[in-house]
Amino acid sequence: GNSVTQMEGPVTLSEEAFLTINCTYTATGYPSLFWYVQYPGEGLQLLLKATKADDKGSNKGFEATYRKETTSFHLEKGSVQVSDSAVYFCALFTGGFKTIFGAGTRLFVKA
Amino acid sequence: DAGVIQSPRHEVTEMGQEVTLRCKLISGHNSLFWYRQTMMRGLELLIYFNNNVPIDDSGMPEDRFSAKMPNASFSTLKIQPSEPRDSAVYFCASSSRPLAGVTSYNEQFFGPGTRLTVL
Repeated sequence: GNSVTQMEGPVTLSEEAFLTINCTYTATGYPSLFWYVQYPGEGLQLLLKATKADDKGSNKGFEATYRKETTSFHLEKGSVQVSDSAVYFCALFTGGFKTIFGAGTRLFVKA
Repeated sequence: DAGVIQSPRHEVTEMGQEVTLRCKLISGHNSLFWYRQTMMRGLELLIYFNNNVPIDDSGMPEDRFSAKMPNASFSTLKIQPSEPRDSAVYFCASSSRPLAGVTSYNEQFFGPGTRLTVL
């Protein structure tokens, strides 16, 4: 079946450090891939997306590249800020109605 | 647009009581999802609807849980009777169907959640 596996957290970084959160997927067909972010006390919101192989999604300094050969969609940011502290969810959509979410990775950024 | 609206934002109740959570979809959206989030189990999909029809309720934990969409813009999730292990944050999310030939995905828009505490 379709599934998403992402690295366990929490991830703790100092401000301006480089961030990578790993995400791999299993899917039939050609899924669209997403990163959602959940800030404290809020619902999830879409951070970035990629709909086909080799696409790069980007937003707010975050990037992720759809790698079909490694079935991966790792999230990166060159210099994190305290305000990036949140839970990050990798997700995929293969059609129909449902989006499959990973377990989430909590990020803490220290000043 | 105001986004997905959920009420109440916080609910504290005693074991055995009935709890009703409410959700208003974004205008024009036709899919509705109910999720539950806890530290132990993470984000769980409970049920989802398309065009007011329940598509998959396999995530509903027990018969104590029920969900309805009386119209295209509103949904309720009811727990009767409630138990302490139902304590969680409940989210609803809405989306529109991908447009054939235009988009290949559906972005889900989440509400702010209802924090339920059952004593």
